[in-house]
Amino acid sequence: DAMVIQNPRYQVTQFGKPVTLSCSQTLNHNVMYWYQQKSSQAPKLLFHYYDKDFNNEADTPDNFQSRRPNTSFCFLDIRSPGLGDAAMYLCATSPTSGAAYEQYFGPGTRLTVT
Amino acid sequence: AQKITQTQPGMFVQEKEAVTLDCTYDTSDPSYGLFWYKQPSSGEMIFLIYQGSYDQQNATEGRYSLNFQKARKSANLVISASQLGDSAMYFCAMRSNTGNQFYFGTGTSLTVIP
Repeated sequence: DAMVIQNPRYQVTQFGKPVTLSCSQTLNHNVMYWYQQKSSQAPKLLFHYYDKDFNNEADTPDNFQSRRPNTSFCFLDIRSPGLGDAAMYLCATSPTSGAAYEQYFGPGTRLTVT
Repeated sequence: AQKITQTQPGMFVQEKEAVTLDCTYDTSDPSYGLFWYKQPSSGEMIFLIYQGSYDQQNATEGRYSLNFQKARKSANLVISASQLGDSAMYFCAMRSNTGNQFYFGTGTSLTVIP
C-alpha cells in the first residue's frame, strides 16, 4: 500500500544532542510537510517543501532544519534539542497545490528529550 | 489571514447517538477546501471528509457528514450512530487554492460513552 512512513516511532535524545527524524513516502507526492504537535494542541507547521522548494514558517526556530534529498525522503534535524522540543513530530504529504487536495499523514515520531 | 475556530474543547456522546462538532473559519480566498481529521490516542491523523467551497451539496462519507453553511462560514462535522472507536481528537482544517499550508483548529476531544 502507498503510504507515509516515519522512523523511528519513538526517539529519545539527550538535551543538546542533535537528532534526525526521517520520513519517506511511496505516494510520489510533490508536497511534504513537517509538523510539531504538543499534547492536546493542534499540529504546528514547521516547514514544507514543494518539490525542492523549501518554505520555512516565520516562527520556526533556527534549531530546526530540514532536508529533502529526493521526492521520497524528507528529514527533520534538531540541532540542539531542548526540553521544550519534546513533542510528536508528524510528517505529511499532499499531491500538489490546490484546495481540493488533502494531506496524508505518517504515524508520527514521539520525541523525548532527557 | 486564514483562521479556523473550534469552540468545543471536549464533547461527550452516548454510544449509537449522533454528535455534531463545530467548526467556523475565516478566509478572504474565494476558493478553499475544508477537511476533518481524526486523531486517536495513537497519534496518527486520519482523514475523514472534505468539502470544497464551491460544492453545492454537503459532503458525506459513511457515518460522517459535513454540514456546510458557506454564508455563516461554518463546516460542522456530524457523526451518526457513534461508536466507542470514535473516541478521539477531531481537527477541522482549511486549505486555500493558493499556497500549500493547511490551517488547523485547536481540536475537539470526543468521548463516546457506552
